[in-house]
This record gives sequence, structure tokens and C-alpha cells, in this order.
Amino acid sequence: AQKVTQAQTEISVVEKEDVTLDCVYETRDTTYYLFWYKQPPSGELVFLIRRNSFDEQNEISGRYSWNFQKSTSSFNFTITASQVVDSAVYFCALSVFGNNDMRFGAGTRLTVKP
Amino acid sequence: DSGVTQTPKHLITATGQRVTLRCSPRSGDLSVYWYQQSLDQGLQFLIQYYNGEERAKGNILERFSAQQFPDLHSELNLSSLELGDSALYFCASSVDDRALHFGNGTRLTVT
Repeated sequence: AQKVTQAQTEISVVEKEDVTLDCVYETRDTTYYLFWYKQPPSGELVFLIRRNSFDEQNEISGRYSWNFQKSTSSFNFTITASQVVDSAVYFCALSVFGNNDMRFGAGTRLTVKP
Repeated sequence: DSGVTQTPKHLITATGQRVTLRCSPRSGDLSVYWYQQSLDQGLQFLIQYYNGEERAKGNILERFSAQQFPDLHSELNLSSLELGDSALYFCASSVDDRALHFGNGTRLTVT
């Protein structure tokens, strides 16, 4: 069975602080994909990143970076120098090859205060 | 803008009624997915269609049904509505890159 755990329900930081959102996943499959989505207050779900299980290289995109570690089954997301516009709910998700059911974590609500 | 269009944006209806939610996928995407987001259940996968055929089923109730038409747009039909069906319903589409691109959702309120 596939499962995604985002243990942090809510995080509050002050602008310009760095913040890391944790994601731990469970799967017995060797081929899978991990995702992060952002849901701002307006409600839409915005795709941020996809990684496949064979690519453990960390990725950086501007102020966003992702740390994928198969040894700990984690795919953590760091926002550097956070901004008020980063305030949103962030979801981590897992999709197993051959299975079309993408499993989402419960989400982490990030509030960035000015 | 994800390129996925969902209508209507909001829907308010009474218990026992039936509603239809509509989704147009991104140009070129053959797969359409439906998800339900509620406060207590989070984001739940309902059903997937690929090029007009049902591909996968998740936690979809028997009162709910969906279809994908030859032009690839999809409809989700919800009938005999209950208060607990109030939620945000998302449609998503994808090619083969496994990334789902979501529409802005339809907020359904059942009173």
C-alpha cells in the first residue's frame, strides 16, 4: 500500500526565514514518482515538482529546493527566504508506476507573516 | 494557469438533488482524473479516464458517476446528494509525465 505522511499540520514563520516541509512516504514498489503541490488561499492546486525514484539528485528552483532521500523515504521541501506569497497549503504526493491512484499527504499549512 | 478548465466554479444545491461537474483537460492530455477534497478526508482520488475509457477507480460512491467524451472533456455526475458531499471537486489531466495538472475546482455546497 502507498502512504504519504506530512507530520507538520501547520507551520508559521516570519518573512525571510527559511522553512522546511517534511514528507515521508511508504511504498513497496521500486518505481514511483513523488510530487509537491501548492494550494494557495484561492484554492487551485499548483504543480511544483516531480521526481522519479531513480533520480535522487536534489533540485533547486529559485528559492525552492527539494531533498529526496530514499534511505529515509523522505522528500522534503525547503523554501529559502520565505515571502508572504508563499503562504499556502503544501501537499506531497506519491504515484506508483502502473497505478493511477496518486496518493496525497494531509498537507502542511504554511503561514508566512510580514 | 494549468490549462485545465472546470465549470461551474461554485454550485449550491439541496439534498437529494443531482448535479453535473464539467472538465476540459489541457490540450493534448488524454487522461482525466477526478478528486474530492473535503476537510475530514483530504484529497481523495475518485476516478480516472483515459481517452474515453475508465482506467482506474478510487473511493467513488455508487451515487457518483463520470464519463469522458470523444472530445476528451469529462463530466462528473453526483446524484442523491447528501450534506457530506459538500466539498471541493478537482479535475486534473496528464500526458505520460505522471504529473497531474489540476483545474481550479468546483466548490459544491449541499444544503
